[in-house]
Amino acid sequence: ETGVTQTPRHLVMGMTNKKSLKCEQHLGHNAMYWYKQSAKKPLELMFVYNFKEQTENNSVPSRFSPECPNSSHLFLHLHTLQPEDSALYLCASSQDVGNTGYTFGSGTRLTVV
Amino acid sequence: GQNIDQPTEMTATEGAIVQINCTYQTSGFNGLFWYQQHAGEAPTFLSYNVLDGLEEKGRFSSFLSRSKGYSYLLLKELQMKDSASYLCAVDSNYQLIWGAGTKLIIKP
Repeated sequence: ETGVTQTPRHLVMGMTNKKSLKCEQHLGHNAMYWYKQSAKKPLELMFVYNFKEQTENNSVPSRFSPECPNSSHLFLHLHTLQPEDSALYLCASSQDVGNTGYTFGSGTRLTVV
Repeated sequence: GQNIDQPTEMTATEGAIVQINCTYQTSGFNGLFWYQQHAGEAPTFLSYNVLDGLEEKGRFSSFLSRSKGYSYLLLKELQMKDSASYLCAVDSNYQLIWGAGTKLIIKP
């Protein structure tokens, strides 16, 4: 148990489906992050939330829609994805933005068919 | 641009020593991290260097040279459980810039 929990661990979805990824942390952290991890590529930062407010969107396509209802929960809503979106999606948290001591979740392995 | 380079894959023998290098070019520097990531699991923190020199933590050590933009992770007395990917990341102006990771394969 890393302190950051992601569900589901694995997800297979069609290009017309709508699904959501969930991330939860009870570490008392104020910042939460979504990353995309593709094979043999660096981690790609997608979204950053600080105290529930989105502070960064790294030019992510609108088919990815984040939601942060409170400092402990973060969602990534997915719709009309493409096969190239297949990847490991990692959630992380830190005390606050600017504190780069991250705790990561185990990720959701997403396959788009 | 900002860039971090590390080897894609390395192979070593159980009981031996291996050094994983990381070179970086970033606009800012507030420290360098090493993370370990087993397949299908979360990246977990190994080390953080902000000053030049060697930091030792059990079987693992991490070295930093800021003037050379260079770091390495040294793993001693390798065990099969050390088979994993090792990610190098630089805190550049309080944002993490990541390398693509080095997959370490340990052979008996």
